[in-house]
Amino acid sequence: DGGITQSPKYLFRKEGQNVTLSCEQNLNHDAMYWYRQDPGQGLRLIYYSQIVNDFQKGDIAEGYSVSREKKESFPLTVTSAQKNPTAFYLCASSLGRGASYEQYFGPGTRLTVT
Amino acid sequence: KNEVEQSPQNLTAQEGEFITINCSYSVGISALHWLQQHPGGGIVSLFMLSSGKKKHGRLIATINIQEKHSSLHITASHPRDSAVYICAVPPETSGSRLTFGEGTQLTVNP
Repeated sequence: DGGITQSPKYLFRKEGQNVTLSCEQNLNHDAMYWYRQDPGQGLRLIYYSQIVNDFQKGDIAEGYSVSREKKESFPLTVTSAQKNPTAFYLCASSLGRGASYEQYFGPGTRLTVT
Repeated sequence: KNEVEQSPQNLTAQEGEFITINCSYSVGISALHWLQQHPGGGIVSLFMLSSGKKKHGRLIATINIQEKHSSLHITASHPRDSAVYICAVPPETSGSRLTFGEGTQLTVNP
């Protein structure tokens, strides 16, 4: 089945550690996105990539890093510089680069940092 | 003021009721998205529309570009419709980025 996979579903880390969240898609989509969701707030864009080997900062990129070495993969690293890393992280992809393309979402990773 | 505002924030209905969720936006857009987020967190795209009305099963989405307003209707609501419904728009200057509303938590009781 085509879709987006994120792993793991739940992730626990100690403060000060970097952690990498996986996002893989087999939809042959060009564009991929990372969002963060906090209780009572709308999704906020962390990073997005419209093509392999290229990515742009979103609205809340500080403390995060990404890579896009392969079309199907867009891992997100939450670094120790991120002040409030505990959140629900969602990865998405879309066929094209324009905003009118439907976005397909992964199941999300819930990160807890203590 | 947020670029995308949804109302109501929370909605409780009895099974069978007709439900309306509203979305207003303040920016120029090319299309509007309605998404559904289930309790486990997964998000599904319900509609993407740029004019008029779209229908899928018991779900209907309408948009009025001039008034910058969209509505999502659920006919004959069912407990399995309980979820968070999210409106999202791509501001014309934003490229492929979406701006999301805070969501409407819908609970349908049997």
